[in-house]
Amino acid sequence: GQNIDQPTEMTATEGAIVQINCTYQTSGFNGLFWYQQHAGEAPTFLSYNVLDGLEEKGRFSSFLSRSKGYSYLLLKELQMKDSASYLCAVRDQAGTALIFGKGTTLSVSS
Amino acid sequence: DSGVTQTPKHLITATGQRVTLRCSPRSGDLSVYWYQQSLDQGLQFLIQYYNGEERAKGNILERFSAQQFPDLHSELNLSSLELGDSALYFCASSGEPPLLTFGAGSRLTVL
Repeated sequence: GQNIDQPTEMTATEGAIVQINCTYQTSGFNGLFWYQQHAGEAPTFLSYNVLDGLEEKGRFSSFLSRSKGYSYLLLKELQMKDSASYLCAVRDQAGTALIFGKGTTLSVSS
Repeated sequence: DSGVTQTPKHLITATGQRVTLRCSPRSGDLSVYWYQQSLDQGLQFLIQYYNGEERAKGNILERFSAQQFPDLHSELNLSSLELGDSALYFCASSGEPPLLTFGAGSRLTVL
């Protein structure tokens, strides 16, 4: 089976940096994904890691350690519009669906 | 606009009824996935189709069924509806690379 854990809620201030952690246990591994979801809207793709290390994409970066079953999403220079739910998801085999964690709700205040 | 089209956007029905949700994937994508999102459960994978064939099954109830047609659109049928089936139902599609792109969702309310 699969198990994905991430914190339920986080708060941060505009302009700050926040790190959202995700730990996973899967029978196989074929990629870890981060999605952003604003309330009532569709999830949108943020980043994808299949090898260990850091992937940087503008203000957002994602890190993966396969041996530790661990990933984090790093958000820099936070803006109010970054208030959303951040979903960690894993694919256990090539070509199969993503299994999502319950998401971390991030609230950014001024 | 993600390119994945879902209809209807909102649906209100009564317990015991049956509804059909429709999804058109992005042009060129062969895989379609259905997810259910309720407040307490997060995004739950229901079922995946690839080019008309069922590829993987998740936590899909026996009261629910789906299919993918030759034109690649997909339908999710929900029958004998219960209050607990009230949720957002998302369709996603993928091609190569296999990144899921989600539609805007269908919000189902069962009264």
